Amino acid sequence: GAVVSQHPSRVICKSGTSVKIECRSLDFQATTMFWYRQFPKQSLMLMATSNEGSKATYEQGVEKDKFLINHASLTLSTLTVTSAHPEDSSFYICSAPHAGDTQYFGPGTRLTVL
Amino acid sequence: ELKVEQNPLFLSMQEGKNYTIYCNYSTTSDRLYWYRQDPGKSLESLFVLLSNGAVKQEGRLMASLDTKARLSTLHITAAVHDLSATYFCAVDGIGGGSEKLVFGKGTKLTVNP
Repeated sequence: GAVVSQHPSRVICKSGTSVKIECRSLDFQATTMFWYRQFPKQSLMLMATSNEGSKATYEQGVEKDKFLINHASLTLSTLTVTSAHPEDSSFYICSAPHAGDTQYFGPGTRLTVL
Repeated sequence: ELKVEQNPLFLSMQEGKNYTIYCNYSTTSDRLYWYRQDPGKSLESLFVLLSNGAVKQEGRLMASLDTKARLSTLHITAAVHDLSATYFCAVDGIGGGSEKLVFGKGTKLTVNP
């Protein structure tokens, strides 16, 4: 099946720094990718839709200036958490639709902000 | 606003027993997904249900969809310990294949020997 990778898998940073997370579709092209956030023992919440060649669309309540998304190519989307704070600590997961009827999820990035 | 409700949220069962997880959603949707998540891991796709009356089976798991009732079920047959995980259903939030998923809260399944 289709493969989506994320890098890094785990990151620890100090409060106030910025962190970039990459999401790649390894064996297919994705004009759209999705970024989700999952807090401990909770469900996944969609943060934004990443669109190749155009601006990302953000869900209500998600700060676009804090979570910068760039869909640089048909296989790469990046999420940058700017000026990270402890409350941004979470599990960030990207996904990409493929073959018209399913989505493939990346392995996730666990962000810890000290 | 689309709401997706799963129940139960926690399920502890013995090996060999059968049980059903329910997923209700509030508005019409094109498709419904079931995923499995192991602790510390991402999501593994189990089923995609695309039409009313759809039934899919894989091993000890069987999923069905009733779009009129806005209900999907995930049935577990003769549970084994390896099925212990959290199971999520998700619904296409807008429809028309937008693929913006709205997830239920998840059902944490523990299968005891």
